[in-house]
Amino acid sequence: EVQLLESGGGLVQPGGSLRLSCATSGFTFNKYAMTWVRQTPGKGLEWVSTVSSSSGDTYYADSVKGRFTISRDNSKNTLYLQMNGLRAEDTALYYCAKDLRASAGGAYGDLANWGQGTLVTVSS
Amino acid sequence: QSALTQPASVSGSPGQSITISCAGTSSDVGTFSSVSWYQQHPGKAPKLIIYDVTKRPPGLSNRFSGSRSGHTASLTISGLQAEDEADYYCSSYAESAIWVFGGGTRLTVL
Repeated sequence: EVQLLESGGGLVQPGGSLRLSCATSGFTFNKYAMTWVRQTPGKGLEWVSTVSSSSGDTYYADSVKGRFTISRDNSKNTLYLQMNGLRAEDTALYYCAKDLRASAGGAYGDLANWGQGTLVTVSS
Repeated sequence: QSALTQPASVSGSPGQSITISCAGTSSDVGTFSSVSWYQQHPGKAPKLIIYDVTKRPPGLSNRFSGSRSGHTASLTISGLQAEDEADYYCSSYAESAIWVFGGGTRLTVL
């Protein structure tokens, strides 16, 4: 069974940093692109960032480019999101998600498996 | 990159069919086949129900179908059931190597 478990969320002041983690199991992690998606409470989904299976390709939404860094450790089956320069508008529930199909490079963006999310609150 | 445009809400009675639209542009839905649809029940994570415009993940009910005409993708749910009441989101790959979501549609089963 595919399992994704996010951690690392919490309350942080504007301008601060957080590192989110997504521990995975139940599939061959190094064969799938992985994605972070966020959702403001009561509102819609927003794509944040994607990394290819080999980390050779990374993709970012304009709203986080230059502030967030996605990475993965294929030896630990874990996905990360380093978030710097946090703003109030970054407050959201952050999900990690796995592509449906394996890919050697790039990503499909067909997010078949999701974690339950970790809440990030940016406030003074 | 702007979000894709979905109606805020749709409704239907049990057994009926409903269609949710997802309007994009030539920079996303109109050009790329990486269009997906997700179902989200309150308090739950999203669930993939359609990918590559028309394909269903393994095990997914054939009551759900996807299509595209020009810059607009559509999700049709036939034989509406009470458990289909949820929020639905479309997503598309877009130019500049990004993905965009629609604003979401609340489906009410009357």
